Amino acid sequence: DQQVKQNSPSLSVQEGRISILNCDYTNSMFDYFLWYKKYPAEGPTFLISISSIKDKNEDGRFTVFLNKSAKHLSLHIVPSQPGDSAVYFCAASSFGGSQGNLIFGKGTKLSVKP
Amino acid sequence: DADVTQTPRNRITKTGKRIMLECSQTKGHDRMYWYRQDPGLGLRLIYYSFDVKDINKGEISDGYSVSRQAQAKFSLSLESAIPNQTALYFCATSTGRNYGYTFGSGTRLTVV
Repeated sequence: DQQVKQNSPSLSVQEGRISILNCDYTNSMFDYFLWYKKYPAEGPTFLISISSIKDKNEDGRFTVFLNKSAKHLSLHIVPSQPGDSAVYFCAASSFGGSQGNLIFGKGTKLSVKP
Repeated sequence: DADVTQTPRNRITKTGKRIMLECSQTKGHDRMYWYRQDPGLGLRLIYYSFDVKDINKGEISDGYSVSRQAQAKFSLSLESAIPNQTALYFCATSTGRNYGYTFGSGTRLTVV
């Protein structure tokens, strides 16, 4: 049973427009959420995170929104750039439940076209 | 030098062979993890270790074993490799407090 779901395997966006990547979760005990970005032939790198006590966290062009009632989070990239083309993984954690271990979604491959 | 180093970067091995993937870190983190990435399946946890004497199975530990030789070293072994263990393997480290992981660059393993 998938606890973290990224239902869109891929997304294609024009340079300069907004990219919205979505993630749903089923475990109400999750209290921390992260997004990782992965380029080919490299390991995933941390992008942005949000605690369950917040509903928004912003870092430059990247904003993560959390809707706890819907068990949904989204990553907004504005404006999108060709260098943003990568696979994005959503991850969640609950310190008590999973001992802080991250549970990852399957990833969404973002392609930003010039 | 990378904070988390995995060796080898690429490996082709035959069915039935024993193989070891190695991971070393300079982050000083207590927690270390082995993940496997398959197309369409995301990152799945194989084993994790919170310190040298604490080893735990993850979601898909069957067919794998690990050894935490020191705080900085965590190796993954395939006792008898099989073709469906062909995948990209990642080692990661964490402090456990901020939940963020630092990943290595990965080992691409092909079992023929």
